[in-house]
Amino acid sequence: GEDVEQSLFLSVREGDSSVINCTYTDSSSTYLYWYKQEPGAGLQLLTYIFSNMDMKQDQRLTVLLNKKDKHLSLRIADTQTGDSAIYFCAVALYNTDKLIFGTGTRLQVFP
Amino acid sequence: DAMVIQNPRYQVTQFGKPVTLSCSQTLNHNVMYWYQQKSSQAPKLLFHYYDKDFNNEADTPDNFQSRRPNTSFCFLDIRSPGLGDAAMYLCATSSRPGQGATDTQYFGPGTRLTVL
Repeated sequence: GEDVEQSLFLSVREGDSSVINCTYTDSSSTYLYWYKQEPGAGLQLLTYIFSNMDMKQDQRLTVLLNKKDKHLSLRIADTQTGDSAIYFCAVALYNTDKLIFGTGTRLQVFP
Repeated sequence: DAMVIQNPRYQVTQFGKPVTLSCSQTLNHNVMYWYQQKSSQAPKLLFHYYDKDFNNEADTPDNFQSRRPNTSFCFLDIRSPGLGDAAMYLCATSSRPGQGATDTQYFGPGTRLTVL
């Protein structure tokens, strides 16, 4: 089955860029998502990219997709303390209703 | 605003006492999901409805059941909660227009279940 992996922790200084990485195994992915989860809250959709795209930019967020290497990344420019949260990547497979979630990356932003 | 609503946000129950969590949506989506999430782990899919079609995950315990009386509402019933069922329960919705991939999943704020 599909496997989605992320590093567990990332710590950055306020104002720096953050890059959160995700790798997946199934090449029949259609959409790939990034969700943000703050403590005690649900998952907030941040952005997504369709599998035939290489890059998508949305204000401070840049998503890069390398289909050959099955690697997805989320770059947050000018990281703020409010960006501290857990970030999940998730992969949608063709012709299913399901998302396969990564393990989540805890981003800590320090002053 | 169109959204996914979960009630209650916090639920305390006793060991073995049945509990029901509810989810409603104003997005008119035809797919609704229930996830269990423990200790900042990835959400684990319990089951989902595509319209009225119920799809159970193979490893979802029989203790967990669901009802979807109409498009807008979906319920999660835990028949005999154990200590191991304490978790955050997340509801999500999406739209599947027909063949092919389902659209983006939108999540509710979750219900934190405590079992005493």
